[in-house]
This record gives sequence, structure tokens and C-alpha cells, in this order.
Amino acid sequence: SQQGEEDPQALSIQEGENATMNCSYKTSINNLQWYRQNSGRGLVHLILIRSNEREKHSGRLRVTLDTSKKSSSLLITASRAADTASYFCATASAGRRALTFGSGTRLQVQP
Amino acid sequence: DTAVSQTPKYLVTQMGNDKSIKCEQNLGHDTMYWYKQDSKKFLKIMFSYNNKELIINETVPNRFSPKSPDKAHLNLHINSLELGDSAVYFCASSQGGGIRYEQYFGPGTRLTVT
Repeated sequence: SQQGEEDPQALSIQEGENATMNCSYKTSINNLQWYRQNSGRGLVHLILIRSNEREKHSGRLRVTLDTSKKSSSLLITASRAADTASYFCATASAGRRALTFGSGTRLQVQP
Repeated sequence: DTAVSQTPKYLVTQMGNDKSIKCEQNLGHDTMYWYKQDSKKFLKIMFSYNNKELIINETVPNRFSPKSPDKAHLNLHINSLELGDSAVYFCASSQGGGIRYEQYFGPGTRLTVT
């Protein structure tokens, strides 16, 4: 079954604006990961946040995790046209040996 | 240097044929995966091997058979291809059993069954 659900499904912004994507999940997790997929390419790992962490930063990326609400958000600040891609959250749950991916948010950054 | 590579990148074939997709990783990882991404971009795990041992086999038709000759390779063989097998197949690898760490993905193989 699908664990992660991203919201919104699609997002279009202007270059320089911030982009926020949300992910909700259903079961308790060990960690949550965000990946980026450019059109026609494989997924690239962006950031991993563990269940005992609340916030993590990497460059222009900021990820938050609220385990009480079973949700996470990915914020991309000062977006660039090169950030245009699909963004996926993936959850790692105890008892499962595989990540469970959501269906992604398609981000379009207009130059 | 390509970390995770797949061949071929595109595969067009007719129903009923048998085909294989190859995957190699040069990261020294001990775990490899096959995922299927459908037309709605939903990514679903199919198989996972850890040190050449099958550890995940999701509800995949037995027409799909993975083979891991060594830790660096995980190939996918598909028998009697069906229209519904059309998708993009991704190979990935990770260290330490997978879910605790990030995964590294190959570029994908777009399979089209006509």
C-alpha cells in the first residue's frame, strides 16, 4: 500500500520564490527521505531525517518532521529553474526492508 | 564515474517475448533493488538482494526473475512480456540493508511492450 502521500501533486512558482512540499504517511517510521527526479532520469537522494529529529538543513533545502502528525515538509528556498523536477518522499518503517515511496510533487520553476 | 548503471536505457519489444535488464553498481554497496515506476510516477519496490541473497520479493508475477551473480550486479529477466509490463524500471543500491541509509538509483530502463 502507498505510505507517503505528497501534497500538492503539482506546483508552479517563479524563480526566486520558495517552494514547499508536504508528505503524509500512515505508520510509524524509522526515517523519512526526500528524493528528486529530473525528467527521464533516476532518483537522486536529497536528505534523510530520522524519527528523533525535527528539522534538518542542506544548502537551500529544509526538511521538517512531525511524527505526532505523521507528516514532513520539504522547503526549497530561493528556487531556480534547475530545481524543476519531481520530488518524492520515502518512508522507512520498522519491520519492512524497503522504502515506501509516495507519488511525488511535480515542481515547475519558471525563469 | 557512473555509480549505478543500467542497460539498456530503452527497450521496445512485443508481447510474449523474453527480455533482460542489467544493473551494475560500483559503490561497494551490499544491497541492490529493482523498482517499477508506472505512468503516474508511482515507484514500487519489486525485489531486493543483500549480499546476493533475496530479501524482498513483493507481489510480483513469477514471470519476473531477478538474478544476482555477485554483490555488484542485479539483473532482471522478464518472461512472456505483457502490455501491463510497460513502465520504467529502476535499479538502486544502498549499504547496510537499505532503509537506514539513502539509496542510489540508476538512470532507468524504459520498457515498452507492444
